[in-house]
Amino acid sequence: DQQVKQNSPSLSVQEGRISILNCDYTNSMFDYFLWYKKYPAEGPTFLISISSIKDKNEDGRFTVFLNKSAKHLSLHIVPSQPGDSAVYFCAASEEGAQKLVFGQGTRLTINP
Amino acid sequence: GAGVSQSPSNKVTEKGKDVELRCDPISGHTALYWYRQSLGQGLEFLIYFQGNSAPDKSGLPSDRFSAERTGGSVSTLTIQRTQQEDSAVYLCASSPGAGRGQPQHFGDGTRLSIL
Repeated sequence: DQQVKQNSPSLSVQEGRISILNCDYTNSMFDYFLWYKKYPAEGPTFLISISSIKDKNEDGRFTVFLNKSAKHLSLHIVPSQPGDSAVYFCAASEEGAQKLVFGQGTRLTINP
Repeated sequence: GAGVSQSPSNKVTEKGKDVELRCDPISGHTALYWYRQSLGQGLEFLIYFQGNSAPDKSGLPSDRFSAERTGGSVSTLTIQRTQQEDSAVYLCASSPGAGRGQPQHFGDGTRLSIL
């Protein structure tokens, strides 16, 4: 039972353009969402988060959008840079729970 | 170092052997988590420690898996009688406290291969 789904295993974007990574969830009890970035042979690094009381959170080049009615969130990176090439994981948690439930990840490649 | 430290970075062992994986969290972090990532999959929660509270073991896949955290700092994940399906990257994370506004900081993981 995959409660957090990232349906695109990979995405290729040209440098300078916008990268949009998508994530869907099925558990209506999730109310806190995070995006992590992972380079090969390293642990995931926290990027940005959003609470369900908001529909948008922005941090520099990174913006996360949450559509609760659709149970969908997305991460926008603009402008995309070569160093953004990595695997991006969407994660979610329920109120009162500390554990994170992760999606399968999307491999983003930024082409020069 | 300032980050979460895990050892060993790689472990290869024969099926049926026991293994111990170690995690040193960031100093002062009271919350500690173990996850594993199987090939092509996302991270799967295993266990969570917070201070002196009873750990949340709800993610442990079988009774062959156990973990302890001594003195509120270092944690050891033990897998007994390893099976080939235990092959994965085991990741440890820590956070300053239990609040969800405090993101989890991950180590680089232990890649476990069961022959």
